[in-house]
Amino acid sequence: DVKVTQSSRYLVKRTGEKVFLECVQDMDHENMFWYRQDPGLGLRLIYFSYDVKMKEKGDIPEGYSVSREKKERFSLILESASTNQTSMYLCASSLRLGGTDTQYFGPGTRLTVL
Amino acid sequence: GEDVEQSLFLSVREGDSSVINCTYTDSSSTYLYWYKQEPGAGLQLLTYIFSNMDMKQDQRLTVLLNKKDKHLSLRIADTQTGDSAIYFCAVGYNFNKFYFGSGTKLNVKP
Repeated sequence: DVKVTQSSRYLVKRTGEKVFLECVQDMDHENMFWYRQDPGLGLRLIYFSYDVKMKEKGDIPEGYSVSREKKERFSLILESASTNQTSMYLCASSLRLGGTDTQYFGPGTRLTVL
Repeated sequence: GEDVEQSLFLSVREGDSSVINCTYTDSSSTYLYWYKQEPGAGLQLLTYIFSNMDMKQDQRLTVLLNKKDKHLSLRIADTQTGDSAIYFCAVGYNFNKFYFGSGTKLNVKP
């Protein structure tokens, strides 16, 4: 079974803090993704990565950055957290570089920014 | 980007069938997916259908795809209280582009 893990289930931070969300997958998947999930808006793609040190902006990259130094690990960074970044953050991974491949999701991190 | 729409809520009685609908706008999709999200959890892949198919059955789940109308549905037969969750439709395109609907919250009443 594919396993995607996220470093925290719940996180509370203060406005202006730097926040790191970590995601690890154990199936040697090429692609990794960060989404945020908000009620009524579904999932919106923040960033994705198709290889180590490679990244592509998704639909809502503003206020976020990412890092992929190792194939199995993809980090989402909030340089200066703001209250409008309070959300559920979901990490996913998929196998192939090209085409479409099923995405497997982690359990999510619920981030609250006070 | 792509527009994927779902109704927000559905309520059914235990034992009835549930039908969750999804519409999308871009017909160049490759795979279409249904994910289930239980409270406090991530998304779990339920089933998927390739865009050149019109139906797929997997135990209690039936997926119907009407490519002409860009309409995807998920039917759950004999719905149980354990099926209560949010169901997301996702449409996949080449180069790992995915678009998700806003999710349909299914409430199953005993």
